[in-house]
Amino acid sequence: DAGVTQSPTHLIKTRGQQVTLRCSPKSGHDTVSWYQQALGQGPQFIFQYYEEEERQRGNFPDRFSGHQFPNYSSELNVNALLLGDSALYLCASSLSAGRSYNEQFFGPGTRLTVL
Amino acid sequence: AQSVTQPDIHITVSEGASLELRCNYSYGATPYLFWYVQSPGQGLQLLLKYFSGDTLVQGIKGFEAEFKRSQSSFNLRKPSVHWSDAAEYFCAVGSLFSGGYNKLIFGAGTRLAVHP
Repeated sequence: DAGVTQSPTHLIKTRGQQVTLRCSPKSGHDTVSWYQQALGQGPQFIFQYYEEEERQRGNFPDRFSGHQFPNYSSELNVNALLLGDSALYLCASSLSAGRSYNEQFFGPGTRLTVL
Repeated sequence: AQSVTQPDIHITVSEGASLELRCNYSYGATPYLFWYVQSPGQGLQLLLKYFSGDTLVQGIKGFEAEFKRSQSSFNLRKPSVHWSDAAEYFCAVGSLFSGGYNKLIFGAGTRLAVHP
C-alpha cells in the first residue's frame, strides 16, 4: 500500500515564475492538506481540500491556490514566486474527519528553491 | 488562538542518556496532540499521538509522552537515547472544526543532537 507521494522531489524556480506541485494521497484517503515548512521552522498550514473544494485556509495570500481531482490527488500552485516562498512543501492525506479526528499522513515533501 | 510552544530550540544529550523534550499548547477544547520526527531532508514521521484516555502514551522507537491538562503540556521522553535519534522533533496540536475538517498547528521544533 503506497503512502502519500509527492512530485517533484526538488524544484528550482526564479522570482516571478509559477510552480505546480503534485500530491497523491494514501490509498483510501479523501482529504488532502498542504503545509509550508520554511527553513528552521515548523510546518504551517496552507489549505485543505475535500470533495474537490477548498474548505479551510491558513494565512497565505491568494498567490497560493490548489486543486483536487476526482481521484483525490491534489495540486498546489504558487504564482508570482518570491524568494520567501523557498521552503519544503508537505502534503498530508487523511479521511474526512466527520465527528472524530482522523490522523494526517505526510508525504516526503517537495523542496522548492526560488532564486 | 491555538498555538504550540517548544521552548528548547536545540538540545544535546549523550548517547544512552535520558531525554525529555518540552511542549506546551494553547487550545480551548480537548486537544489532539502529536509528536513528529523529521530527519534532514525528509518528511514527517509520526512518533505518537494522544486523543483521549490514558495520559501516558507509548510510541514508536521507544518514545513516550505524557499529557498534563493542568499544565497544558505534552512532553516527549525516552529513557535511553541512541545516536540515530538525532533529528528535529515537532509537537503539534490538531483541531477539529464543524464541517469535518481538521488541521495541524506545529511548534517551531527542537533539534536534537546526540554525542557518542
